[in-house]
Amino acid sequence: ELQLVQSGAEVKKPGDSLKISCYGSGYAFTNYWIGWVRQMPGKGLEWMGVIFPGDSDTRYSPSFRGQVSISVDKSISTAYLQWSSLKTSDTAMYYCARVEHGHIYGYFEYWGQGTLVTVSS
Amino acid sequence: QPVLTQSPSASASLGASVKLTCTLSSGLSSYAIAWHQHQPEKGPRYLMNVNSDGSHSKGDGIPDRFSGSSSGAERYLTISSLQSDDEADYYCQTWGTGVHVVFGGGTKLTVL
Repeated sequence: ELQLVQSGAEVKKPGDSLKISCYGSGYAFTNYWIGWVRQMPGKGLEWMGVIFPGDSDTRYSPSFRGQVSISVDKSISTAYLQWSSLKTSDTAMYYCARVEHGHIYGYFEYWGQGTLVTVSS
Repeated sequence: QPVLTQSPSASASLGASVKLTCTLSSGLSSYAIAWHQHQPEKGPRYLMNVNSDGSHSKGDGIPDRFSGSSSGAERYLTISSLQSDDEADYYCQTWGTGVHVVFGGGTKLTVL
């Protein structure tokens, strides 16, 4: 069964660093782009960027470039989303999702369950 | 002008049908879109993608009650025989080298 399993909820303070994860199983992890999507409280979905686990090629939304870092460890089939210095405005639910085969920019075919990040002093 | 426009809300009665609309902005009327269902406390679920000619392909396990169609710059998701479990937010998504990946604002569907 194909699954994307994300790490658990986090509560952090402004200025803290954070790395959340997305573990893929049930498919050839290195062959599909994986993306990250933000949902702020009460708001819609926003595309943050994607990474190709096969070679770590990464593309960012202009809105998120420089604000987060996307990485991958293909040896353990896990993608990451990382912040070096969190802000209260980073409070949101974050989803990872697998892109349809063969496309950098394509539709998300499978989704993780989400990781809630709360940043508060 | 947003790339994708959706009505914020829709409602229909249990057992009835509802048609949700996603409108592509000017110049993008040939783009395909995908529909995703987002139920409370769950990750989103891919339903189908809809092409400009109205053809569509569904995700794994999506019931026949869900169908897609197209007219010009509009892409539709029709849900028939509405069930209480269909109450959710529905997002359309498009993609391309120029637009990267974009989501519509979502439609909150209430099943009465």
